[in-house]
Amino acid sequence: NAGVTQTPKFRILKIGQSMTLQCAQDMNHNYMYWYRQDPGMGLKLIYYSVGAGITDKGEVPNGYNVSRSTTEYFPLRLELAAPSQTSVYFCASRAGGITDTQYFGPGTRLTVL
Amino acid sequence: AQTVTQSQPEMSVQEAETVTLSCTYDTSESDYYLFWYKQPPSRQMILVIRQEAYKQQNATENRFSVNFQKAAKSFSLKISDSQLGDAAMYFCAYRPLMNYGGSQGNLIFGKGTKLSVKP
Repeated sequence: NAGVTQTPKFRILKIGQSMTLQCAQDMNHNYMYWYRQDPGMGLKLIYYSVGAGITDKGEVPNGYNVSRSTTEYFPLRLELAAPSQTSVYFCASRAGGITDTQYFGPGTRLTVL
Repeated sequence: AQTVTQSQPEMSVQEAETVTLSCTYDTSESDYYLFWYKQPPSRQMILVIRQEAYKQQNATENRFSVNFQKAAKSFSLKISDSQLGDAAMYFCAYRPLMNYGGSQGNLIFGKGTKLSVKP
């Protein structure tokens, strides 16, 4: 199992550009999450999904969009990138149920100049 | 809203010594989960230890143990026999029970403590 994979690892965007951060998991997990980690801070929830076709906003959703057409993939779309979106982005998944563990991808470091 | 506070931005420990990282949290719930995650320079988030709030016994994983004080809403991590590979950012995280207050199992993180290990 590859677990949770994310691409790209690094990206530099210009203000106003758009991009999609890719996330995939091969564990057949129902729940998937996108977090961002700003310098010196913990992770904050952007969006989450409880299954294919079902997504909802987290704590900091502005400037982002998500989709979940299949169980495996949960891409995060940045429209009109802004310097405030410079961060490290983590995707995570878990199977479901009360006691299961959340597994994290390796992260994508995004810089908006 | 639930919050997690780590009051020590940085800590340092001598190799082979013991260090304790502090974490407090605020919640009105009685059932929840608490976690410590390690983030080395590689950025990978690695689960160190977890604690269920309904369990009075403190969780232990090899050299890592917690001191869970539910009434005080405190959840500290003790690392014994510290090793150079323990140097990392450590994050305390809280997770509400499923579907309570709109939660879908996401984690609420503190700001982290940077641990340095001196040889």
